[in-house]
Amino acid sequence: DQQVKQNSPSLSVQEGRISILNCDYTNSMFDYFLWYKKYPAEGPTFLISISSIKDKNEDGRFTVFLNKSAKHLSLHIVPSQPGDSAVYFCAAPSRGGAQKLVFGQGTRLTINP
Amino acid sequence: KAGVTQTPRYLIKTRGQQVTLSCSPISGHRSVSWYQQTPGQGLQFLFEYFSETQRNKGNFPGRFSGRQFSNSRSEMNVSTLELGDSALYLCASSLMDSNQETQYFGPGTRLLVL
Repeated sequence: DQQVKQNSPSLSVQEGRISILNCDYTNSMFDYFLWYKKYPAEGPTFLISISSIKDKNEDGRFTVFLNKSAKHLSLHIVPSQPGDSAVYFCAAPSRGGAQKLVFGQGTRLTINP
Repeated sequence: KAGVTQTPRYLIKTRGQQVTLSCSPISGHRSVSWYQQTPGQGLQFLFEYFSETQRNKGNFPGRFSGRQFSNSRSEMNVSTLELGDSALYLCASSLMDSNQETQYFGPGTRLLVL
C-alpha cells in the first residue's frame, strides 16, 4: 500500500521559471510532511517541512503548500536554478512516535538553461 | 556540527557472506533509523533505534538486524547476503523520536552483492 505517492516520475523546467512538484497521501493520520532532495549516490538532503496545522511554509526559494482536504502537498521552487536538478522525495512519518518515514517514489527534476 | 557519517561508503560482497555497516549520528542525536534504497522499491524503512532500543521495524527478513550503542552510534548487519540485497543503505538521525522531528541522512553505503 503506497501511502505517499508522487505520480510524476520526471519534470523538466526552464531556468528561472517555477518548478512545482506534487505529492499525494492516503493516510489521514499523517500530520507532518517533509521534502528531501537527492543527488545520485548521496543521501537525501532535507529541504523543508510542514506540519498539518499549517497550510503553507516558506524558506527562501522553497515553499510547501498543504491541502489537507485533498490530501495533497506541493513544493514550489522559484526561481529554478540548474543546481536544483535532482530527485525530490516527499515523506511523512508514520504514527506511533517512532521515526519511520514513508517516502514517495520521487520526482526527477531537470532544470534546463 | 558534523553530519551523519556512514562507513564504509562502498562495499562488494558475494552471496552467502555477511556484512556490517556503521553509522555515526549527528552529535546529540539519539534516534537512528536505517533505510534501503533500490531502483525497484524506492526508499524503504528498515528499523529505528532510540536509546539503544529498537523502536520500530520495517518489513524485512530476519537476516537484517541492527543495534545501537550507548554513544548512539549504530550498526546494521545483513547475514547470508542475496543478490537482491544490493542497494544503497542510508542511515538517518534525529534528536529525539517524536513524530515531528526532522531526520538527517548520511551519504549512504553502496553495497554490491555478486
